[in-house]
Amino acid sequence: GESVGLHLPTLSVQEGDNSIINCAYSNSASDYFIWYKQESGKGPQFIIDIRSNMDKRQGQRVTVLLNKTVKHLSLQIAATQPGDSAVYFCAENSFSGGYNKLIFGAGTRLAVHP
Amino acid sequence: GAGVSQSPRYKVAKRGQDVALRCDPISGHVSLFWYQQALGQGPEFLTYFQNEAQLDKSGLPSDRFFAERPEGSVSTLKIQRTQQEDSAVYLCASSGRTGTGVGKLFFGSGTQLSVL
Repeated sequence: GESVGLHLPTLSVQEGDNSIINCAYSNSASDYFIWYKQESGKGPQFIIDIRSNMDKRQGQRVTVLLNKTVKHLSLQIAATQPGDSAVYFCAENSFSGGYNKLIFGAGTRLAVHP
Repeated sequence: GAGVSQSPRYKVAKRGQDVALRCDPISGHVSLFWYQQALGQGPEFLTYFQNEAQLDKSGLPSDRFFAERPEGSVSTLKIQRTQQEDSAVYLCASSGRTGTGVGKLFFGSGTQLSVL
């Protein structure tokens, strides 16, 4: 079946370092992927997305890489700041039953230490 | 407000009680989703509305769960005869798009339901 999962449940980094959060997906037909950030007590917040016809997309301090060959997605955060501490979810667009929905992975907690 | 609003923020229910959770999406957003998020897990899809039509309810865990969006704006998720396993955060999300781009969802802060 369809599934989206993460390699590392917790990632600890020093402030100022770069962070890399990884995600594996199983549905090779997925055409759209999204990264969300969720802070404690809040709903997920959109960070960046990428379509399957791209392999890289950059935002402000964030880059998403997509490797369709091995069905792998990663989120890179440059110069990680304390405000980046949160749980990060990758999600894939699933087209089933005639409609689109997001399938989320379990999440990776990013802890930024001063 | 500019974002998705959910109420109540917290709900404590006794087992067997009925609850109703409200979602006010971003004005004009066509697509509305409900997700259930257990502690330490990612959100799990429950149901999807396009305007007032409930197009996909494949994620509703049982017939005790019911959702509606009668005028294509505000939505209510109702859970009848609540059970302890219903304890979770219920997230509502909306999007101005349909199709693949619907993935760019705007989430509310959720309703944390605790069933005792």
